[in-house]
Amino acid sequence: DAKTTQPPSMDCAEGRAANLPCNHSTISGNEYVYWYRQIHSQGPQYIIHGLKNNETNEMASLIITEDRKSSTLILPHATLRDTAVYYCIVRVVLGGAQKLVFGQGTRLTINP
Amino acid sequence: NAGVTQTPKFRILKIGQSMTLQCTQDMNHNYMYWYRQDPGMGLKLIYYSVGAGITDKGEVPNGYNVSRSTTEDFPLRLELAAPSQTSVYFCASRLNHNEQFFGPGTRLTVL
Repeated sequence: DAKTTQPPSMDCAEGRAANLPCNHSTISGNEYVYWYRQIHSQGPQYIIHGLKNNETNEMASLIITEDRKSSTLILPHATLRDTAVYYCIVRVVLGGAQKLVFGQGTRLTINP
Repeated sequence: NAGVTQTPKFRILKIGQSMTLQCTQDMNHNYMYWYRQDPGMGLKLIYYSVGAGITDKGEVPNGYNVSRSTTEDFPLRLELAAPSQTSVYFCASRLNHNEQFFGPGTRLTVL
């Protein structure tokens, strides 16, 4: 599985867009990019995933560069409840067991 | 649906004791997983199951055992507890699409 690199911490003002970067320069053509978050020691929560096209859902947008070596998770209007650790994971999806490998993630703090 | 439930929420064990961490999901998911999370670290996969009767080792299986006799239940057994097993344990499940659903965790301390 490709290794990911994320900044250890970031701050964002409430109401602004939070942009969380992730580098995955060794990603393979069949590996997807996943994002999960963990709020204050709760179980991780799935946010979004993508292969090469940009994706958007009710929680966030995922922007993947054309060469697929990096991506950005965007929370468009951050609220205090978005304070959490955000994990970027790359993983092959072949209908198998999908064993996720979590790094240390980015600790995002939303400030009032 | 209750989703993924885990019991107990907290437990303190003495070295050498044994216990079973319970995990149940009511979503009829095929895949189930056990992770552990040490302070300040990401999650590490202990064991996983692709269906009833089938289990396999993850990244850190030593000191643990699992069974999967039903689709709903995936208990994790610690036979001889050691201080190194002090951690937060998360169970997760997945159907056939990509999202894993996680339980609330069990906080285990071994003294």
